[in-house]
Amino acid sequence: TAGITQAPTSQILAAGRSMTLRCTQDMRHNAMYWYRQDLGLGLRLIHYSNTAGTTGKGEVPDGYSVSRANTDDFPLTLASAVPSQTSVYFCASSVDLQGELFFGEGSRLTVL
Amino acid sequence: GQNIDQPTEMTATEGAIVQINCTYQTSGFNGLFWYQQHAGEAPTFLSYNVLDGLEEKGRFSSFLSRSKGYSYLLLKELQMKDSASYLCATLDSNYQLIWGAGTKLIIKP
Repeated sequence: TAGITQAPTSQILAAGRSMTLRCTQDMRHNAMYWYRQDLGLGLRLIHYSNTAGTTGKGEVPDGYSVSRANTDDFPLTLASAVPSQTSVYFCASSVDLQGELFFGEGSRLTVL
Repeated sequence: GQNIDQPTEMTATEGAIVQINCTYQTSGFNGLFWYQQHAGEAPTFLSYNVLDGLEEKGRFSSFLSRSKGYSYLLLKELQMKDSASYLCATLDSNYQLIWGAGTKLIIKP
């Protein structure tokens, strides 16, 4: 099935541990994004990538890093998790920066 | 600053019509999106407006007035499955999406 896949779907993590959320798309989209969604707040952009090999910081990048080694994969890493990073994380992709976003199913992360 | 405002919650009756408003102030404008998000699921694309006017797509229509910084999503013949959050987002001059907090729509029989 074509689309965008995230893993894991949920995870409980001890504070101070590292974690990588995986994201893969098979639509050959140029742009990819990582958002976090918290109750009462809009989607907030963490990092994005316009094309393979390039990344940029979004609204809330601190504590997160990304890489874009190829078109399909865009992993998000938390180097040392903190409780404020408890959230639902969505990966998304689009043909270009003006296109509609296609979202993954989300990864629910709890940091204790 | 950049800001998107939409009502937090709305209630409507099955079979009726509901209009969800969105006002925005952003640095530049390259279009406005509406997404639907059912509880516990990912957002899905509904509509995109970049020019003033009404775009109709089945039971859903979206309107844009760039001079007023205003958009609305109109849902007709409401069905129970339309119970969801509706997210308004604008594309600013740097092609960054600015998201509203979403409007939770509750449909009652």
